[in-house]
Amino acid sequence: GAGVSQTPSNKVTEKGKYVELRCDPISGHTALYWYRQSLGQGPEFLIYFQGTGAADDSGLPNDRFFAVRPEGSVSTLKIQRTERGDSAVYLCASSLGVGQGMHGYTFGSGTRLTVV
Amino acid sequence: AQSVTQLGSHVSVSEGALVLLRCNYSSSVPPYLFWYVQYPNQGLQLLLKYTSAATLVKGINGFEAEFKKSETSFHLTKPSAHMSDAAEYFCAVTPGGATNKLIFGTGTLLAVQP
Repeated sequence: GAGVSQTPSNKVTEKGKYVELRCDPISGHTALYWYRQSLGQGPEFLIYFQGTGAADDSGLPNDRFFAVRPEGSVSTLKIQRTERGDSAVYLCASSLGVGQGMHGYTFGSGTRLTVV
Repeated sequence: AQSVTQLGSHVSVSEGALVLLRCNYSSSVPPYLFWYVQYPNQGLQLLLKYTSAATLVKGINGFEAEFKKSETSFHLTKPSAHMSDAAEYFCAVTPGGATNKLIFGTGTLLAVQP
């Protein structure tokens, strides 16, 4: 597509529920990144994929969070047993490849997750 | 480890005045440095980047930044502020190479007064 698409744009869920957030990167971009932006903070790195594999998942806060990218394109960030502290904007970005990130990523508009 | 410090979480300028947003970084390897802008309810947009070429980098919307290794700084400037510049600005660093993980600062919210 023309840009990075994230769905849904807003998600409200109850504490303890499971949620999935979707990211559709720019066509041809092999690198895909997830960030989390809490209120009043800069985005924090969660995980990045090069192709289908997670090249660096050091930012995932705990084992309730995991992400997949089975075909090397669309990615899904999955959060189990959601907690109120998970409320944030989840940002996805893509770039042509790992070495191409120096040109800057293209970010999506984010999914605002609210856990009540 | 890389980190970024943005001095001033809120900056207010008058329309037509100089904009100066400060960013200092720490990095154990020559870094790549970026400024992103975020308008309300929108995603992050790349303003400009430093990738070890010219130390004075020009970006979109009249913004520029200068990489000063001796001061470990990458401050963002614009000679004359416009009302449309009101947004949040983030400085970010990445070591480049095999990882493009961006480390962001906490952001500076720029207000432009008429």
